[in-house]
Amino acid sequence: GNSVTQMEGPVTLSEEAFLTINCTYTATGYPSLFWYVQYPGEGLQLLLKATKADDKGSNKGFEATYRKETTSFHLEKGSVQVSDSAVYFCALRLKAAGNKLTFGGGTRVLVKP
Amino acid sequence: NAGVTQTPKFQVLKTGQSMTLQCAQDMNHEYMSWYRQDPGMGLRLIHYSVGAGITDQGEVPNGYNVSRSTTEDFPLRLLSAAPSQTSVYFCASSVDRGENIQYFGAGTRLSVL
Repeated sequence: GNSVTQMEGPVTLSEEAFLTINCTYTATGYPSLFWYVQYPGEGLQLLLKATKADDKGSNKGFEATYRKETTSFHLEKGSVQVSDSAVYFCALRLKAAGNKLTFGGGTRVLVKP
Repeated sequence: NAGVTQTPKFQVLKTGQSMTLQCAQDMNHEYMSWYRQDPGMGLRLIHYSVGAGITDQGEVPNGYNVSRSTTEDFPLRLLSAAPSQTSVYFCASSVDRGENIQYFGAGTRLSVL
């Protein structure tokens, strides 16, 4: 079946550090890939997405590139801020699966001043 | 902008009790869904609805009922709560079932003792 695996965390960083959260997927077909973010006390928000191989999604200084050859969609940010402290979810969606979202387990990121 | 509103935010139940988790959206979205989030397991789809009067099962439907009498509301019912239903529940909506962004509520944290 379809699945998403991401690093568990928590990931603790200092402000201005480089952040990488690994995400790999298994899917029958060519999924669209997403990163969602959940800030404390809030619902999940779409952070960025990519719909085909080699696409790069970007938003708020975050980037992720759809790598079909390694079935990966790693999230990166060059210089994190305290306000980036949140839980990050990687997800995929397949038309053949009725466009239902399949999520990874989430990665908690804590950025210290 | 209200978006997707879930109530209550927190709930503690005893085994065997029943309750309804409320979800309402004010965006006139046709597609609504319920997920549960458990540590390390990501979000799993419980039930979904593609429009008023239409519901279907997701990945983990056992122990839960839903109905969709209006476009705005999509309540989730636990008829006889079990400790295995301790989780964080998220409601989401999107314009339709197609390739559109899903908007999430802030979640309901449920503990069953």
